[in-house]
Amino acid sequence: DGGITQSPKYLFRKEGQNVTLSCEQNLNHDAMYWYRQDPGQGLRLIYYSQIVNDFQKGDIAEGYSVSREKKESFPLTVTSAQKNPTAFYLCASSPGRNQPQHFGDGTRLSIL
Amino acid sequence: QKEVEQNSGPLSVPEGAIASLNCTYSDRGSQSFFWYRQYSGKSPELIMFIYSNGDKEDGRFTAQLNKASQYVSLLIRDSQPSDSATYLCAVNRAMNSGYSTLTFGKGTMLLVSP
Repeated sequence: DGGITQSPKYLFRKEGQNVTLSCEQNLNHDAMYWYRQDPGQGLRLIYYSQIVNDFQKGDIAEGYSVSREKKESFPLTVTSAQKNPTAFYLCASSPGRNQPQHFGDGTRLSIL
Repeated sequence: QKEVEQNSGPLSVPEGAIASLNCTYSDRGSQSFFWYRQYSGKSPELIMFIYSNGDKEDGRFTAQLNKASQYVSLLIRDSQPSDSATYLCAVNRAMNSGYSTLTFGKGTMLLVSP
């Protein structure tokens, strides 16, 4: 079945540690996105990518990094510079401009 | 900053009633409008999208768009307890990069009582 796979489902980060969240899609979508959701809050855009080898900062990119080496994959690294990383991280993809975005199941990141 | 506003709720309706969820947006240039349902602890699921003024129906769901008033709504007929969730309104947003993404509202919690 086509879809978006995020892993792991739960992740714990130690102080000073970088962690990487995986996002893979087999929908053949060009565009991929990373959002962060905090309790009672809307989704906030971290990074987005419309084509391979190109990505753009969203509204809250500080402390995060991404890569887009393959169309299917858009991993997000939460660096030690992100001082408040505890959140629900959502990856999404869409076929193109103004098209619906479809979400993976998310990764919950907590600090140990 | 372009904004999407929703009443946080909770909106409480009895089973079988019509639930009406509302959303306003600030960007007059927005062209695409989406409704997502998010159950507690889960990721958002696309329910409806609408691009033109007027109504769009899909089963028990109707999306309504009024671009002049910058207003989009979602009606859920014959509400069921399984409809209890948070409903997110999303509007397309043109970025400085020339690409586009979505701006999400904070969501309205809907509670359908048996």
